[in-house]
Amino acid sequence: AQTVTQSQPEMSVQEAETVTLSCTYDTSESDYYLFWYKQPPSRQMILVIRQEAYKQQNATENRFSVNFQKAAKSFSLKISDSQLGDAAMYFCAYRGGSQGNLIFGKGTKLSVKP
Amino acid sequence: NAGVMQNPRHLVRRRGQEARLRCSPMKGHSHVYWYRQLPEEGLKFMVYLQKENIIDESGMPKERFSAEFPKEGPSILRIQQVVRGDSAAYFCASSPGTPVGSYEQYFGPGTRLTVT
Repeated sequence: AQTVTQSQPEMSVQEAETVTLSCTYDTSESDYYLFWYKQPPSRQMILVIRQEAYKQQNATENRFSVNFQKAAKSFSLKISDSQLGDAAMYFCAYRGGSQGNLIFGKGTKLSVKP
Repeated sequence: NAGVMQNPRHLVRRRGQEARLRCSPMKGHSHVYWYRQLPEEGLKFMVYLQKENIIDESGMPKERFSAEFPKEGPSILRIQQVVRGDSAAYFCASSPGTPVGSYEQYFGPGTRLTVT
């Protein structure tokens, strides 16, 4: 069975600095997709970034980028120029190529200090 | 284009009562997923439905829980004879088509169920 592990329950970053959130996963599939979701205090789940496993190039969305290491089964999220609004829970998620459901990690709570 | 709608946002039930949670997917989306989030936990998959079909219910507890997505109307997650352990946030997500490809799932705001 596939699993997703986020080893950092909490992280803190100074405003305008850069922070990296870690995620590892375990799968025997070759076709899959990886996602980072943000959950602010409102609890709304917001998609931050996605990565297709077949793509070697790391995905980037404005201040958010990933470091996708397929062989190591690692999928970290880098947030540059951190802003107060980035404070939230961040969840890493996996979906197999033919599956419907997402498998989530337990999350990392990110605090941003002014 | 309205997003995924869930209601109610908050639901309080006494032990033994029934809880009905509703989800209206985004316009044009025919696939619905239900997830449960316990306190301090990530989301756990419960069930995946298309119109009038349950595709995958591998995450659904065997008893007291059921889900449907009728031809007309919202998807319903039904919990019978609720217990305190059912207290959680229940999220619905929708996607436009088959899971082939990187179709994102768009989440609703969730329903927070409290069992007293």
